[in-house]
Amino acid sequence: AQSVTQLGSHVSVSEGALVLLRCNYSSSVPPYLFWYVQYPNQGLQLLLKYTSAATLVKGINGFEAEFKKSETSFHLTKPSAHMSDAAEYFCAVSVGNRDDKIIFGKGTRLHILP
Amino acid sequence: GAVVSQHPSRVICKSGTSVKIECRSLDFQATTMFWYRQFPKKSLMLMATSNEGSKATYEQGVEKDKFLINHASLTLSTLTVTSAHPEDSSFYICSAARGPEQYFGPGTRLTVT
Repeated sequence: AQSVTQLGSHVSVSEGALVLLRCNYSSSVPPYLFWYVQYPNQGLQLLLKYTSAATLVKGINGFEAEFKKSETSFHLTKPSAHMSDAAEYFCAVSVGNRDDKIIFGKGTRLHILP
Repeated sequence: GAVVSQHPSRVICKSGTSVKIECRSLDFQATTMFWYRQFPKKSLMLMATSNEGSKATYEQGVEKDKFLINHASLTLSTLTVTSAHPEDSSFYICSAARGPEQYFGPGTRLTVT
């Protein structure tokens, strides 16, 4: 069985500060890992994905995440927060097979302080 | 590429009626689509996996007779909420699989009065 745990349901950072959203995964097989962002009343947008290639993954909007197998982590970072980054962020895992279902974490609401 | 649409974006219906939500992959074919339900300030709960040409696979606890799923073609899956009740009010999101990735629709806000 696979699962993801997102630490912190709410995270607040000041504009211009480092963003760090934590995600730990559990998987019996090599996982595919994803970060999605959701703005209010909208669907999900893929920020980035890890698919067993490079462990440091760069995504859209300046976000990146590093896959650390020894720590079973896939934390999301951005060097400098922008007001437009305020949203809900979901970490997710799948086994990577074609058409396989994705399991989502509970989400972290990111607040940006002016 | 990889655009998924949902229709309608919002729907209000009376208790006891049925509501159909469409999910379309606009620029790719998807043999598998997924239906999720999202409660306010909560994560996405997978309801079912929709497979083109075969019956949907429902997650534990999801009533298959209440949430009817039809994957009529490689670009269209529909979710019908039958005999809707206020507790069915929620945000419903679909996704279409292309390889190991899923592409999500914009969601449908269902309100049952």
